[in-house]
Amino acid sequence: QSVLTQSPSVSGAPGQRVTIACSGSSSNIGADFEVHWYQQHPGTAPKLLIYDNNNRPSGVPDRFSGSKSGTSASLAITGLQAEDEADYYCQSYDNSLSGSRVFGGGTKLTVL
Amino acid sequence: QVQLQESGPGLVKPSGTLSLTCDVSGGSISSANWWSWVRQPPGKGLEWIGEVYYSGGTKYNPSLQSRVAISVDKSKNHFSLKLSSVTAADTAMYYCARGIGRPSARVFDIWGQGTMVIVSS
Repeated sequence: QSVLTQSPSVSGAPGQRVTIACSGSSSNIGADFEVHWYQQHPGTAPKLLIYDNNNRPSGVPDRFSGSKSGTSASLAITGLQAEDEADYYCQSYDNSLSGSRVFGGGTKLTVL
Repeated sequence: QVQLQESGPGLVKPSGTLSLTCDVSGGSISSANWWSWVRQPPGKGLEWIGEVYYSGGTKYNPSLQSRVAISVDKSKNHFSLKLSSVTAADTAMYYCARGIGRPSARVFDIWGQGTMVIVSS
């Protein structure tokens, strides 16, 4: 059971917009700790996609954006492309139990 | 460009100790960053194991703290993971990663390719 909750799967057609939600609590996202997002294609290591809630590292297309409100965060992908099919993970900090870096359980994005 | 590469035995016996090393190339491990281990059981999500600073300071996932030790060797520019009393539940892909940012906002910006460790007799 992950500390951060994500829906197991989401899908969308090419060109569409999809959102992936990440739900937390008052000891992590709700405590105003930053949320980061990673993309993982099958058989590869995770890749940083969004950091500090809504910032993109160099090289990440502006089709990817992040937001945070209350105890939840979201990743939005616009203009969906076939290569966006991957697993997506949110990550934050939790200040309970001596503090820890926590991940969501991951969301599998399928491009129809 | 900093790159990370994990190495170590791919098979560990139950009750034994898992030992992995992460070599840092293209930069110094003594830079102002934290160095982490993250694992992913087959078909499952990511789990943070712990992190080490170049000076030797560490922080661990409370759920694994009693079995984990992460250390750094500045002379070899690498850091290491030891996980004791392993069971089949510790079978996973193990990644090393660089963590940047302040403690409450640490983000993993560079990852190794990962190494699969199977716990089996």
